[in-house]
Amino acid sequence: DSGVTQTPKHLITATGQRVTLRCSPRSGDLSVYWYQQSLDQGLQFLIQYYNGEERAKGNILERFSAQQFPDLHSELNLSSLELGDSALYFCASSSAWDNHEQYFGPGTRLTVT
Amino acid sequence: GQNIDQPTEMTATEGAIVQINCTYQTSGFNGLFWYQQHAGEAPTFLSYNVLDGLEEKGRFSSFLSRSKGYSYLLLKELQMKDSASYLCAPQRDSGNTPLVFGKGTRLSVIA
Repeated sequence: DSGVTQTPKHLITATGQRVTLRCSPRSGDLSVYWYQQSLDQGLQFLIQYYNGEERAKGNILERFSAQQFPDLHSELNLSSLELGDSALYFCASSSAWDNHEQYFGPGTRLTVT
Repeated sequence: GQNIDQPTEMTATEGAIVQINCTYQTSGFNGLFWYQQHAGEAPTFLSYNVLDGLEEKGRFSSFLSRSKGYSYLLLKELQMKDSASYLCAPQRDSGNTPLVFGKGTRLSVIA
């Protein structure tokens, strides 16, 4: 158990819908990272927050947005969902901002039908 | 930009030793991570190399050559539970830029 929690574990929704994925980092960790993993793409970095502020942005679509709240939990919002958004979404946390050892949550499996 | 190259799949026998290679090309380099990921599960941290050489941690060791842009993960006394994907992730620029993970090497351990 990494200490990072993610909800929900599974999500099935239709195209065009909007969903919110939630992540609570390990106690004391200030950085939260979001990744998308689909079968053919590997683990793709989406976005990082550090202590409430956006720190780095990867290949995140404009339909996706995220935020980190004062209690350090984070939410990833996915809107206008497409079939290709079906993937595992992982959240990871670390104590610092500089990408050192990251602890991954169990992931949310999103299926868009 | 960043290029990471790992074999897609490997198969090895229980009790044997296997070496998983990773070559990378990156502008700026700070260190290299290895993660293990069982199918459908979260990646878990295995090792982080900053300096050249071999670092041993139990049955797993990781090697880095900064000048050659090369790393390997060595797994000894293979067990069935070692069947997983192994992800190589070079870290650029003292961590100011996000980690880019390789597509991973899927290792199958057979009896």
